[in-house]
Amino acid sequence: DIQMTQSPSTLSASVGDRVTITCRASQSISSWLAWYQQKPGKGPKLLIDKASSLESGVPSRFSGSGSGTEFTLTISSLQPEDFGTYYCQQYNVYSWTFGQGTKVEIK
Amino acid sequence: QVQLQESGPGLVKLSETLSLTCSVSGDPMTFYYWSWLRQPPGKALEWIGHVYYNGNTNHNPSLKSRVTMSVDTSKNQFSLKLTSVTAADSAVYYCARHPTVYNGLTDWGQGTLVTVSS
Repeated sequence: DIQMTQSPSTLSASVGDRVTITCRASQSISSWLAWYQQKPGKGPKLLIDKASSLESGVPSRFSGSGSGTEFTLTISSLQPEDFGTYYCQQYNVYSWTFGQGTKVEIK
Repeated sequence: QVQLQESGPGLVKLSETLSLTCSVSGDPMTFYYWSWLRQPPGKALEWIGHVYYNGNTNHNPSLKSRVTMSVDTSKNQFSLKLTSVTAADSAVYYCARHPTVYNGLTDWGQGTLVTVSS
């Protein structure tokens, strides 16, 4: 299995802050990476596909970058509704695997 | 807009078979992949496998021998069976949709909690 390692595991930031979450793959996955936001009691929501493609309806303050083994999700100006847990997922090789999550808290 | 809803028993006995159904509404099932995933309490997501609308399947190798997935497009449903369950299979189970195997999971159900107990 390809291991996906996210950092940090928890992040506390203020409204308006720029926030960056990193995801590293144990081997190259090209750009076959997705980012999700999950709120308590809900299924995850796809934010970014193919490492950098913003899903329709997702605010433009979210962006993704990277390829190979290192990827980042950036929130350019954190908003109150952005709290939740963020996951990366690789779909380069079966079986698909997820990072362990980054919990974003609003200060 | 597509909606997915998981259903099935919330409690399954040790060593028995877990059976879940995902009902799909708002969009035809054709030309899409339909996945099952799970999330043990406080832990990360795990992909279980997917079934294409034509019935072709692919599974997580760690679960493959215990997993059966099927699709019934006439009923707008797909299903999961997981045999010989243990406490480690206790989790929130999600169904999800994706257009190809080179896309993320675009639509998700709310999830259903399944607890394995003796």
